[in-house]
Amino acid sequence: KAGVTQTPRYLIKTRGQQVTLSCSPISGHRSVSWYQQTPGQGLQFLFEYFSETQRNKGNFPGRFSGRQFSNSRSEMNVSTLELGDSALYLCASSLEGQWLYNEQFFGPGTRLTVL
Amino acid sequence: GQQLNQSPQSMFIQEGEDVSMNCTSSSIFNTWLWYKQDPGEGPVLLIALYKAGELTSNGRLTAQFGITRKDSFLNISASIPSDVGIYFCAGHRTTDSWGKLQFGAGTQVVVTP
Repeated sequence: KAGVTQTPRYLIKTRGQQVTLSCSPISGHRSVSWYQQTPGQGLQFLFEYFSETQRNKGNFPGRFSGRQFSNSRSEMNVSTLELGDSALYLCASSLEGQWLYNEQFFGPGTRLTVL
Repeated sequence: GQQLNQSPQSMFIQEGEDVSMNCTSSSIFNTWLWYKQDPGEGPVLLIALYKAGELTSNGRLTAQFGITRKDSFLNISASIPSDVGIYFCAGHRTTDSWGKLQFGAGTQVVVTP
């Protein structure tokens, strides 16, 4: 079974631009979460989607948004980029169910550099 | 910032030695997960724990879910060069939605021959 895939792997943007990152979860997984990883703050939860609905959102400004499609693929968007948005953006997917274990599987990440 | 306190921050060990790291929190967790991350890659799930007191092994890795549900530890026995990387603990609280994990700051492991 293919793992979580993220595209693109690397991205360079300038301040003020916007960016869209994509995540394809493991087949059958409907829960998709996004995390930002920086050397200073570590892994920070951005948001979580399930069945095309945002279920939870971390403490990030409104410039960070996301969505999920009917095939469970997810995108996140960052508008008006700032230098501090430079980070590794990670997507994780999992199966969810009352009798299932909560195992989150991560993709390779998208490395975003803002100049 | 992180709500899980992970220690030590880094470890420099010789090949063949055992490694221990732990994670503590003031909150109760119902799931503890341990991940390893190599440079430029996403975290890879090593071990998952779901029950207080549970002790689980995966090859040379052993992890335990603390009885108080506020801590967990990971041991690596007889380390080898490919054990180099950053190890993260992650926890899921019952009060959080399914996909939200809290992470520790990571333990960087360096193995010298």
